Amino acid sequence: DQQVKQNSPSLSVQEGRISILNCDYTNSMFDYFLWYKKYPAEGPTFLISISSIKDKNEDGRFTVFLNKSAKHLSLHIVPSQPGDSAVYFCAASLIQGAQKLVFGQGTRLTINP
Amino acid sequence: NAGVTQTPKFQVLKTGQSMTLQCAQDMNHNSMYWYRQDPGMGLRLIYYSASEGTTDKGEVPNGYNVSRLNKREFSLRLESAAPSQTSVYFCASSELPPGSNNEQFFGPGTRLTVL
Repeated sequence: DQQVKQNSPSLSVQEGRISILNCDYTNSMFDYFLWYKKYPAEGPTFLISISSIKDKNEDGRFTVFLNKSAKHLSLHIVPSQPGDSAVYFCAASLIQGAQKLVFGQGTRLTINP
Repeated sequence: NAGVTQTPKFQVLKTGQSMTLQCAQDMNHNSMYWYRQDPGMGLRLIYYSASEGTTDKGEVPNGYNVSRLNKREFSLRLESAAPSQTSVYFCASSELPPGSNNEQFFGPGTRLTVL
């Protein structure tokens, strides 16, 4: 039972355009949502997060939107740059003693020059 | 600061062999985690340790054991490796209570192949 889903395994975007990565979840108890970026042969690195009490969080070129009624979040990257080419993981968090992250399957983003 | 370090980077085992994956963090974090990453599956939590002296099962604990040796170190042991345990293993750590971004910090991973 996949609680966090990224339905697009890959996405190709032109340099300078907007990249939109999507994520759906099923558990309404999740209290925090995070996006991680992963390059080959490296560990995931934190990109941006959003609390379940907010609907938008911005950090430079990256914006995350949360739609709780639809149980959907999205990551917008504007403008997209070649260095953004990576696998992006959506994760949802439950704080129960420790913080337990549930990850989506990942979306491979390719930025074309 | 090195952050989260993992050893070894690569390992090849035969079915039935045992090994221990090592993880250490220098950020004074309370919580530590072990994940495995498989193609098309994202990262799945194997075991976690909320604080020194405690460990709990995650989503896929079967075939693994863990030890929280001290606040810095959290090891993952495969007692009798199976081909289904071929994967990339990531260790992570986080503050507890969570910091402002609620993030976990990940190590570079160990690529394990079981023949």
